[in-house]
Amino acid sequence: GEDVEQSLFLSVREGDSSVINCTYTDSSSTYLYWYKQEPGAGLQLLTYIFSNMDMKQDQRLTVLLNKKDKHLSLRIADTQTGDSAIYFCAESIKAAGNKLTFGGGTRVLVKP
Amino acid sequence: GAGVSQTPSNKVTEKGKYVELRCDPISGHTALYWYRQSLGQGPEFLIYFQGTGAADDSGLPNDRFFAVRPEGSVSTLKIQRTERGDSAVYLCASSLKDHQTSSNQPQHFGDGTRLSIL
Repeated sequence: GEDVEQSLFLSVREGDSSVINCTYTDSSSTYLYWYKQEPGAGLQLLTYIFSNMDMKQDQRLTVLLNKKDKHLSLRIADTQTGDSAIYFCAESIKAAGNKLTFGGGTRVLVKP
Repeated sequence: GAGVSQTPSNKVTEKGKYVELRCDPISGHTALYWYRQSLGQGPEFLIYFQGTGAADDSGLPNDRFFAVRPEGSVSTLKIQRTERGDSAVYLCASSLKDHQTSSNQPQHFGDGTRLSIL
């Protein structure tokens, strides 16, 4: 079955890099995603990576995918106070209509 | 352009009542998904529509939950005989179909409906 795991909490100083980690179990994943959720809001798509890629960079965001270990990470460079939020990792499988299976979320707190 | 719109943003009702939650997807998006997010958890899949038909309803928790998308655009999630355990944020997402890969493109979410059952 599908299972996505994330650490619960990350604290980081403003200006430092943040790294959020995620592990998943389903090797047939098609895409892997990172979503951001601020209090009382919906999910904002940050970035995603196709399962045949190792890395994707998008401005301050870098996604690394290790398919062998089923490990996904999101690095945020120069973390700002506005980056404080809950970050969700999710996987989708094309054969399952690309429905998303989410991790429990990592709460990131950026300290000035 | 307009994003995914969900109404109402908040709904408070008594146990046993019937509720309807509405989702208006991004124009032209053929795929529509419903998720439920309980406090402190990640969203969990409920049902997925491709066009008008429910392609996968395996996430609906029981037969009190039902969803429709009669014209392939707006969708309504219906909950009968509500229970306190139904309290959660109900999220809707939509996406385009990528005809080259036959996959659905990344999903875009609405702000959700916060449902509270007293």
